[in-house]
Amino acid sequence: EAAVTQSPRNKVAVTGGKVTLSCNQTNNHNNMYWYRQDTGHGLRLIHYSYGAGSTEKGDIPDGYKASRPSQENFSLILELATPSQTSVYFCASGVDIYEQYFGPGTRLTVL
Amino acid sequence: QQKVQQSPESLSVPEGGMASFNCTSSDRNFQYFWWYRQHSGEGPKALMSIFSDGDKKEGRFTAHLNKASLHVSLHIRDSQPSDSALYFCAASEQGGSGNKLIFGTGTLLSVKP
Repeated sequence: EAAVTQSPRNKVAVTGGKVTLSCNQTNNHNNMYWYRQDTGHGLRLIHYSYGAGSTEKGDIPDGYKASRPSQENFSLILELATPSQTSVYFCASGVDIYEQYFGPGTRLTVL
Repeated sequence: QQKVQQSPESLSVPEGGMASFNCTSSDRNFQYFWWYRQHSGEGPKALMSIFSDGDKKEGRFTAHLNKASLHVSLHIRDSQPSDSALYFCAASEQGGSGNKLIFGTGTLLSVKP
């Protein structure tokens, strides 16, 4: 079974602070993705990556940066967190048109 | 505007009943469609894919795709309480590097024992 893990699982941050969400996959998939999930919006793509060293903007990249230092790891960085970034964040990995495998999610609250 | 529209927002069916979900795309470039299911507190998990016009059946689940009308549906027969979850339709334009999925807003299914 493909495995994607996320850390932390829960995070409380202060407005203006820096937040880093981490994702690790053991599937050896080239593609990795960061989504946020909000009621009424479904899953929205923030950033994605084709492979180590690459990052691409998704549909809602403003206020977020991403880093893909290796095949296995993909981070999402909020340099200056705002309350509007309170959400549940999911990381996923995949290959081509085939299914994406999601992690368990990180619940982020920005106060 | 949401490129992938789902209906209904929520659905309640009795155990053993049929649950049906609908999804319409506004982008004719979408060629590949997926249904994902998300149980409470977990990440979404792929349920089934459909890439060609017509029906695709996997056990109790049947998906239908009509590319001309940009409509895809999912039907669950003999629904079980364990089917209670959030169901997402997702679409992508093409394969290749970085294949992006566009998700709908989801349909919340409740199956009553």
